[in-house]
Amino acid sequence: EVQLVESGGGLVKPGGSLRLSCASSGFTFSNAWMTWVRQAPGKGLEWVGLIKSKTDGGPTDYAAPVKGRFTISRDDSKNTLYLHMNSLKTEDTAVYYCATDFYGDYFDYWGQGTLVTVSS
Amino acid sequence: QSALTQPASVSGTPGQSITISCTGTSGDVGTHKFVSWYQQYPGKAPKLMIYEDTKRPSGVSNRFSGSKSGNTASLTISGLQPEDEADYYCCSYTRSRNYVFGPGTKVTVL
Repeated sequence: EVQLVESGGGLVKPGGSLRLSCASSGFTFSNAWMTWVRQAPGKGLEWVGLIKSKTDGGPTDYAAPVKGRFTISRDDSKNTLYLHMNSLKTEDTAVYYCATDFYGDYFDYWGQGTLVTVSS
Repeated sequence: QSALTQPASVSGTPGQSITISCTGTSGDVGTHKFVSWYQQYPGKAPKLMIYEDTKRPSGVSNRFSGSKSGNTASLTISGLQPEDEADYYCCSYTRSRNYVFGPGTKVTVL
C-alpha cells in the first residue's frame, strides 16, 4: 500500500524558513516523480513544484509564486521528499501536500497534508 | 489566479447526471498533455478520479467519466449519490512546464 506522510509544518514568522518532509513507502521511491501541492485556508489547490527521478533527470520545476524561495529535494536512500521554504510570506500559509507524479501527467497518490502558518 | 475556468458550483438530485466543465487555452488543456480530475472532501486530501482525460483509476466508481474536446475538458457524474457531494478540481500540465488547477467546483446533492 502506498503511503505518503508529510511532517514539519508549524507556525513561522514572515521572512522565516521551514523544511517539510514527505516520508514514503509502498512503492519504489527512487523511480518516482514527486510533486508538492498546497491549499490556502478556504481556497483551491495550487501546484508548488515537481522533482523528477534521478534517472529521468532534468530541472526541478516551480510555480512562479515560490520560484527562488522554495527548493525541492529528495533523499532516495531515505525514501523521503523535502520542501525547503525560505523567505516565507503570509500568503504561503496553507496545507502542503506531497503527491506522486505520474511522469508529468497526474497525481495518483497523496499524503494527508501538513499545515504551515506564516504569521507574526 | 487559476488559468482554468470551472463553474463555482453544480447541484443535482440523487440519480441525476451532472457535468462539470474545465475550460483552458491552447497552452494547457488544448495541448497534447492530459487533464486529470480530483475529488476533495472538506479537511481531506484530494483523490484522483480521472486521469489522461478519460481514464478511471482502479476503485473509482464507473459513475464518473471524463472527456475532452479542444480547450474544454468535462467530468460527468452519473446517478448522483449523496457521497458525491465534494469539491472537484481539474488539472492540466502546461507548455510552461507548470501544472495549473482549476478553481474548483462544489457539487451539492439536493
